[in-house]
Amino acid sequence: GEDVEQSLFLSVREGDSSVINCTYTDSSSTYLYWYKQEPGAGLQLLTYIFSNMDMKQDQRLTVLLNKKDKHLSLRIADTQTGDSAIYFCAERRSQGNLIFGKGTKLSVKP
Amino acid sequence: DAGVTQSPTHLIKTRGQQVTLRCSPKSGHDTVSWYQQALGQGPQFIFQYYEEEERQRGNFPDRFSGHQFPNYSSELNVNALLLGDSALYLCASRQGAYNEQFFGPGTRLTVL
Repeated sequence: GEDVEQSLFLSVREGDSSVINCTYTDSSSTYLYWYKQEPGAGLQLLTYIFSNMDMKQDQRLTVLLNKKDKHLSLRIADTQTGDSAIYFCAERRSQGNLIFGKGTKLSVKP
Repeated sequence: DAGVTQSPTHLIKTRGQQVTLRCSPKSGHDTVSWYQQALGQGPQFIFQYYEEEERQRGNFPDRFSGHQFPNYSSELNVNALLLGDSALYLCASRQGAYNEQFFGPGTRLTVL
């Protein structure tokens, strides 16, 4: 299909790891992104991964890419209350535009 | 570096009116894209500008038009506003082929 799919909600306890999953659509997409959106705000680029990579780590964030299954995940280690937000997965099409999922709302309970 | 800036932050219009939204890209960026984010949805690509020309367009009607100026700033114009045009309009910029695309805070448009 044409849609980037994400689960809509995830709830974790402070200090636990969060894993947000995404399935994208275009096997020729060159880059895949994770953005964070806090209430009433724009999108903050968290990290991105090139399609020929399997994994990318950046401090508390780990991105895993399974190109065969077109599956992307974002792991947040030691999740904090400040991580509560909506997380968007996006794929970059060959022309450069981004296709976004509907977002996963992460709730972190103290 | 101010990052991507957009104006105004909020706007209220009535059906049938026209609106212009503005975007200044991050310093050094030459490519500007516009996205519409309806409530509870992910952003949807409207169009992209590079070298003052529309290079690519998403599935939006001709009521949505844009412009890019020599200083790379951009405008999004929407004519004959409909209730369904109420959304957060996001501008994003990047530099050429670089892949980090940065978003502005958005303009919240409400059509009554």
